[in-house]
Amino acid sequence: AQSVTQPDIHITVSEGASLELRCNYSYGATPYLFWYVQSPGQGLQLLLKYFSGDTLVQGIKGFEAEFKRSQSSFNLRKPSVHWSDAAEYFCAVALTGGGNKLTFGTGTQLKVEL
Amino acid sequence: DGGITQSPKYLFRKEGQNVTLSCEQNLNHDAMYWYRQDPGQGLRLIYYSQIVNDFQKGDIAEGYSVSREKKESFPLTVTSAQKNPTAFYLCASSSPGTGSYEQYFGPGTRLTVT
Repeated sequence: AQSVTQPDIHITVSEGASLELRCNYSYGATPYLFWYVQSPGQGLQLLLKYFSGDTLVQGIKGFEAEFKRSQSSFNLRKPSVHWSDAAEYFCAVALTGGGNKLTFGTGTQLKVEL
Repeated sequence: DGGITQSPKYLFRKEGQNVTLSCEQNLNHDAMYWYRQDPGQGLRLIYYSQIVNDFQKGDIAEGYSVSREKKESFPLTVTSAQKNPTAFYLCASSSPGTGSYEQYFGPGTRLTVT
């Protein structure tokens, strides 16, 4: 069965510092990969997605992610974090050909220090 | 504006009562999903539906039931058989027929059972 691992439960960064959130997946084929963000008490918003092609994908709010097949990773990055980026971030993998289901990681809670 | 609505935002029930959570979408999406979110556990799939009048169990379907009589609507009933129903419930939809695997989420319903 496919799985998604987000090894960092909590991360704290200073405003203006760079950010990298880690995501590793276990899946037999090249998956479809997603990053979502969730503010407290809200639904999830799609930040970016990777289906194929260029392994560096750009998303909304200045985020980007890089797919590395050799490392089974899809890490999320942002060069300069803003206080409004404080939220929970989820990595997800699509089960292709299987009902369009997503498997989510357990999330990384980002705190931004001013 | 197209989107997904969930109502109510907060719901309180006494133990032993069934409760139905509403989910409506006007995105013309074929597929709809229900997730449960608990702290530190990410999102877990309860039920999903790819077309009207058809639905499948997800990973944690016990104690829940759904119906899909209309394309736009996918209500979730939390029955008295669900041992630990207090949680944040998220509804999502997608359009797999377009080759797009991303899911769009509603704002969620927080259910508290005492």
